Amino acid sequence: NAGVTQTPKFQVLKTGQSMTLQCAQDMNHEYMSWYRQDPGMGLRLIHYSVGAGITDQGEVPNGYNVSRSTTEDFPLRLLSAAPSQTSVYFCASSRGQGVNTEAFFGQGTRLTVV
Amino acid sequence: GDSVTQMEGPVTLSEEAFLTINCTYTATGYPSLFWYVQYPGEGLQLLLKATKADDKGSNKGFEATYRKETTSFHLEKGSVQVSDSAVYFCALMNSGGYQKVTFGIGTKLQVIP
Repeated sequence: NAGVTQTPKFQVLKTGQSMTLQCAQDMNHEYMSWYRQDPGMGLRLIHYSVGAGITDQGEVPNGYNVSRSTTEDFPLRLLSAAPSQTSVYFCASSRGQGVNTEAFFGQGTRLTVV
Repeated sequence: GDSVTQMEGPVTLSEEAFLTINCTYTATGYPSLFWYVQYPGEGLQLLLKATKADDKGSNKGFEATYRKETTSFHLEKGSVQVSDSAVYFCALMNSGGYQKVTFGIGTKLQVIP
């Protein structure tokens, strides 16, 4: 079972470049989200989606764009990369409402902006 | 809003020592509580969870009990191994609205032989 798959695993960008981080899940989960992990700050929510065609902002959305055209995919776009976006990015998915639900995470994308 | 507090560490222990990582939370309603583990160079893995008060989650020798009266979910293990060296994140997920996961800052554990 693939679970949540993120690509690429590593990326180096120059300031001002744009790129897309890919995320796909094969569990038919309704909810998907993107987090960034920074030292001393844990994981912070960037954007999330509760279903195809529906997205919303999290805690730290500036500089990022998302779309959800299918249930499976939830790409994260960096419009114009800045050094402050150097981080490790995690995609997560979970099924809909329910007491016993949990979030499944991808392996992460380590992004460096120079 | 929701929040999770845990020590950042690092916590350094000798092999076979007892481990406690404290976690307290603030949340509305009745959240589910989790411990995630991140081994070096890897992603997040769910270690254990508890969905209601007094539930005990356990896995791989680790345990944590959902204490609503003290809003805590401390992680314990009786005898740590070198292979337990990792970063441990306490987290909560609220059942209302979007199921955002709120994380603590993560505690780095280093176990030395």
